Amino acid sequence: DAGVIQSPRHEVTEMGQEVTLRCKPISGHDYLFWYRQTMMRGLELLIYFNNNVPIDDSGMPEDRFSAKMPNASFSTLKIQPSEPRDSAVYFCASNLAGQPQHFGDGTRLSIL
Amino acid sequence: QKEVEQNSGPLSVPEGAIASLNCTYSDRGSQSFFWYRQYSGKSPELIMFIYSNGDKEDGRFTAQLNKASQYVSLLIRDSQPSDSATYLCAVNHPDNRKLIWGLGTSLAVNP
Repeated sequence: DAGVIQSPRHEVTEMGQEVTLRCKPISGHDYLFWYRQTMMRGLELLIYFNNNVPIDDSGMPEDRFSAKMPNASFSTLKIQPSEPRDSAVYFCASNLAGQPQHFGDGTRLSIL
Repeated sequence: QKEVEQNSGPLSVPEGAIASLNCTYSDRGSQSFFWYRQYSGKSPELIMFIYSNGDKEDGRFTAQLNKASQYVSLLIRDSQPSDSATYLCAVNHPDNRKLIWGLGTSLAVNP
């Protein structure tokens, strides 16, 4: 079975540009999570969805960040405008309620 | 105050020894506990999960949970160099489906 699929794997862009990260969860999973990981702060939850509905976005750092899940098989995380401090690895994970989360390979984002 | 705490390490053990990784959590209502392994440059992968007090064994791995002491640990028997990685402890938030993560313990198994 295919796991969680994220794209792109790497993104390098200049400050001020819009960045869009994409995620396809495991088929049948009803929860989707977006995380950011840095050396200093570890793994931080940004937002999570249940049945395509955003449940908790308290981890979204500021209005520059937005996330959508238009259907059960696709989600996006957008940063506009991007800043150098947004440089990190962004992970998407999915699960069924009560079950462990499964992670995608992540997107390594560098903002110059 | 951190809700899930782990010793950052590095924890260094010789090949063949037992590695013991520890995690404490602050919320008594937590019911699900997870250990993930993360190799450098890779994503976290599930090693074990435990819901009940006591021990749970899976091959060379044993998870131990003590809810009264708010403590969960992971033992790795017969440690191998391939076990060298960062181990992340995660605890479910009592009120919803999200996990609270520790910062991880770096383990180095020396040949």
